Amino acid sequence: SQQGEEDPQALSIQEGENATMNCSYKTSINNLQWYRQNSGRGLVHLILIRSNEREKHSGRLRVTLDTSKKSSSLLITASRAADTASYFCATDTSNDYKLSFGAGTTVTVRA
Amino acid sequence: KAGVTQTPRYLIKTRGQQVTLSCSPISGHRSVSWYQQTPGQGLQFLFEYFSETQRNKGNFPGRFSGRQFSNSRSEMNVSTLELGDSALYLCASYSGGFDEQFFGPGTRLTVL
Repeated sequence: SQQGEEDPQALSIQEGENATMNCSYKTSINNLQWYRQNSGRGLVHLILIRSNEREKHSGRLRVTLDTSKKSSSLLITASRAADTASYFCATDTSNDYKLSFGAGTTVTVRA
Repeated sequence: KAGVTQTPRYLIKTRGQQVTLSCSPISGHRSVSWYQQTPGQGLQFLFEYFSETQRNKGNFPGRFSGRQFSNSRSEMNVSTLELGDSALYLCASYSGGFDEQFFGPGTRLTVL
């Protein structure tokens, strides 16, 4: 069963706009990681946020974590065509290291 | 630093055959996990190895097995292939603790 749920399932934006996607999960976590996947290829690691952190930045990415609401958001600023991909959140728990993934958000950036 | 390597990248097999996939983790990483990705089920955890020991196993039939070698390289094996085993198989490499997990490019398995 999947721990996380991403919202929306799909997102279409204009180049230069910001893209925001959300992830909700069911049980307490240790870490939450965001990944990008281009068209059936491998997962590219974007950012890891720990349960005691509330916000992290990496380049044009901003991730927030609200453990009280069991949710996280990923913001991509000033989007580019190369950001077109599927984005997944993945969580691990204190009991084991396996990652539980959501179904992903498909982002399309229009030129 | 080299990334995670998976071989082969593509594989076509027929029902009933068996297949072995390989994953070489990032140098220094002692853990490897395997995941299956299909359009219907999404990304599902198969198993995880740390220092040659299986630490965790997902909910897959016994036809799916794996192992890890002393150099941390890992293999997974699927016996008696079924059409439903067609998927992208991904391995993740990490230190063994609660840190970033880095994925390889995957092996695309097609079962005919």
